[in-house]
Amino acid sequence: GENVEQHPSTLSVQEGDSAVIKCTYSDSASNYFPWYKQELGKRPQLIIDIRSNVGEKKDQRIAVTLNKTAKHFSLHITETQPEDSAVYFCAASINQAGTALIFGKGTTLSVSS
Amino acid sequence: DAGITQSPRHKVTETGTPVTLRCHQTENHRYMYWYRQDPGHGLRLIHYSYGVKDTDKGEVSDGYSVSRSKTEDFLLTLESATSSQTSVYFCAIAGEVETQYFGPGTRLLVL
Repeated sequence: GENVEQHPSTLSVQEGDSAVIKCTYSDSASNYFPWYKQELGKRPQLIIDIRSNVGEKKDQRIAVTLNKTAKHFSLHITETQPEDSAVYFCAASINQAGTALIFGKGTTLSVSS
Repeated sequence: DAGITQSPRHKVTETGTPVTLRCHQTENHRYMYWYRQDPGHGLRLIHYSYGVKDTDKGEVSDGYSVSRSKTEDFLLTLESATSSQTSVYFCAIAGEVETQYFGPGTRLLVL
């Protein structure tokens, strides 16, 4: 079955720096890759997603890139701010309908001012 | 937040007792999911549903069963709770587009 590896598990940056989180997946049939942000005690919230027919997607300070050949995708956050501090999860769909997800174990991002 | 509620929000129970968690949605979405979240493990899929009475197993389905008799409700049952099932349980929903929206979560403590 699908397996998603996420690195690093923790990441500390200074305000204004960029942060990059990387995920690899095992099932070449996966075609949908969302990223979620979870603040302490809250529910996961979708921040950006990408489908396998697209190589890159941007939304303001957040971007995601996908390399289908290498089976990895990355989250890029530019100009980080203290409010970006949270746990970030990547995920990959486990069937062609993209209806169920397998998640990475998460990255705790700390942005210090 | 999408129209998703979970009940109860907190529960303490004893080993060996049955427990049922409820997920209710007002979005009329087809797909519903149950995850558990534990430190160091992230979110793990327990079961999911792709329609009324249509369900499938996820990564960690042992010890759990589900039922969906109506579009709006997805029930997760622990037939005989164990301490290893102490966790935070999240329900999620999705429509015809894959985007999943999560409920507020249920904290379950099994003593």
